Amino acid sequence: AQSVTQPDIHITVSEGASLELRCNYSYGATPYLFWYVQSPGQGLQLLLKYFSGDTLVQGIKGFEAEFKRSQSSFNLRKPSVHWSDAAEYFCAVGSDYKLSFGAGTTVTVRA
Amino acid sequence: NAGVTQTPKFQVLKTGQSMTLQCAQDMNHEYMSWYRQDPGMGLRLIHYSVGAGITDQGEVPNGYNVSRSTTEDFPLRLLSAAPSQTSVYFCASSRRQAGAITDTQYFGPGTRLTVL
Repeated sequence: AQSVTQPDIHITVSEGASLELRCNYSYGATPYLFWYVQSPGQGLQLLLKYFSGDTLVQGIKGFEAEFKRSQSSFNLRKPSVHWSDAAEYFCAVGSDYKLSFGAGTTVTVRA
Repeated sequence: NAGVTQTPKFQVLKTGQSMTLQCAQDMNHEYMSWYRQDPGMGLRLIHYSVGAGITDQGEVPNGYNVSRSTTEDFPLRLLSAAPSQTSVYFCASSRRQAGAITDTQYFGPGTRLTVL
């Protein structure tokens, strides 16, 4: 069975600083990997996705993620955080027609 | 283009009551799904559908029923509400990719359900 672990429940970062969110997955075959963001009281929005090819994936809002098969990881990064990046971030792995989400990481941005 | 819409936004039920959460999309997506979101647990798949007339169970299907009579609509029915079903429910849709969930999921705004 597939599963996703997001080790950090909550991260606080200063505006302008870099951000990295960790994601580890468990899946037997080639995974389909996603990062979604949820602003307070909203639905989820796709940031980026990885299916195959280049292991460094660019997404919206200046985010990128790197797929590392040897570490079963798909970490999300942003070089310089803006106050509007405060939200909850979810990593997900897809197989067949089922998507499994991690528990999420809440990001707080301080001025 | 309204995307994915959900009604109601909020609902309070008493234990044992039944109700239907509505979900509709206007993007002609074949794949639709329902998730529940609980604190510290992320989103968990309840049921999904790959097209009209085709549904299947997800990770936490017990206590919920679905049907898909049209491409646009995918209602979720709570048969006999229990306090454990207090949660935020999200509907999502996407294009159907053969054999895999490879396309972007578009999420609705959610329904916050409280069962007393």
